[in-house]
Amino acid sequence: DTGVSQNPRHKITKRGQNVTFRCDPISEHNRLYWYRQTLGQGPEFLTYFQNEAQLEKSRLLSDRFSAERPKGSFSTLEIQRTEQGDSAMYLCASSLGDNSPLHFGNGTRLTVT
Amino acid sequence: QKEVEQDPGPLSVPEGAIVSLNCTYSNSAFQYFMWYRQYSRKGPELLMYTYSSGNKEDGRFTAQVDKSSKYISLFIRDSQPSDSATYLCAMSGNTGGFKTIFGAGTRLFVKA
Repeated sequence: DTGVSQNPRHKITKRGQNVTFRCDPISEHNRLYWYRQTLGQGPEFLTYFQNEAQLEKSRLLSDRFSAERPKGSFSTLEIQRTEQGDSAMYLCASSLGDNSPLHFGNGTRLTVT
Repeated sequence: QKEVEQDPGPLSVPEGAIVSLNCTYSNSAFQYFMWYRQYSRKGPELLMYTYSSGNKEDGRFTAQVDKSSKYISLFIRDSQPSDSATYLCAMSGNTGGFKTIFGAGTRLFVKA
């Protein structure tokens, strides 16, 4: 399977804990995106990378969120001091470049108790 | 006002019906228009990708874009129970960043 891979699929954590998610994009794609999706809503943009450079961050991305893409390959999204409002599906997508369509993974579902 | 408006439904149709799904948008800088299908607990799957105004057909699916009205549509012919899913419209362009903006999604149920 050469699609976008995300791990873990589901994460349950207690409020205040830190969590980290991983995304492996399609290998020839140089753009990598993180989105968040809550029940009944469409995906909301969080941030994106062109190779290893983080080019844009949404105002939704508070100081508790940090994303990296070392060496322009896989990416990690870390949430520090999780809050119940962080419970959502975190989706990763990759694309070839400007205005190329996004290809999504199956997401990591975060539940904060 | 959201940049992209989409009726969340749910929309329930009998098997074999023609389904019409629609979105409106406010930013005239959008030039690329997409439709994604999302099954429960899965990521969105790209169905259609079009540039500017016009029609595009792929099997039972037809996408239409009317930039003058800022209105896009997806038609599904001969709908099947396996088409039951949430359909997300999405769009991008030179809006000061090339991120893709999504509608809220329309839940579709096709009854056998």
